[in-house]
Amino acid sequence: AQSVSQHNHHVILSEAASLELGCNYSYGGTVNLFWYVQYPGQHLQLLLKYFSGDPLVKGIKGFEAEFIKSKFSFNLRKPSVQWSDTAEYFCAVKTNDMRFGAGTRLTVKP
Amino acid sequence: EAQVTQNPRYLITVTGKKLTVTCSQNMNHEYMSWYRQDPGLGLRQIYYSMNVEVTDKGDVPEGYKVSRKEKRNFPLILESPSPNQTSLYFCASSLLAGGEQFFGPGTRLTVL
Repeated sequence: AQSVSQHNHHVILSEAASLELGCNYSYGGTVNLFWYVQYPGQHLQLLLKYFSGDPLVKGIKGFEAEFIKSKFSFNLRKPSVQWSDTAEYFCAVKTNDMRFGAGTRLTVKP
Repeated sequence: EAQVTQNPRYLITVTGKKLTVTCSQNMNHEYMSWYRQDPGLGLRQIYYSMNVEVTDKGDVPEGYKVSRKEKRNFPLILESPSPNQTSLYFCASSLLAGGEQFFGPGTRLTVL
């Protein structure tokens, strides 16, 4: 069965630290890939997406993600996090249907 | 303003009392979907709809029903709610299946 794995359940960083959140999926065919963010008490918002083309995609608020097809991965990165990045981050993969990972809670300490 | 709306935002009910959570989008999107969000499990798809009168089961459809009589509306129906359906529910829509989804504000349901 198709699945999406986010390796980190809770990440705690200090401001200005670099961030990398892992996402792996199990599906051999064509996929659309997404990262969504959910700020406390709010609904999910799209950070970035990959459909095709350049495997390094840039999203809002300085986030980027790299699609590595051979590793079935779509990791999210940010060079320098801010306190306002505290949120839950979800990786999602669209094949025949949409599958979300379990989420990674990011806490950024001021 | 382009948006997805859900009502109610909060609901406390008792086991067995039928309820409906409404979802409406004003973006003329064809694809709509319902998810439930539970701690440690992320979002799991309940039902989705590719277009009017076309609905399909997602990962966790048991205990839920949906309908898509109009393009803009996609209500979620719990005929006989049980405590294990206590959760945070999100409706989402996208122009087409596979595209960026726009999420509603969520409905927090508690079944006693």
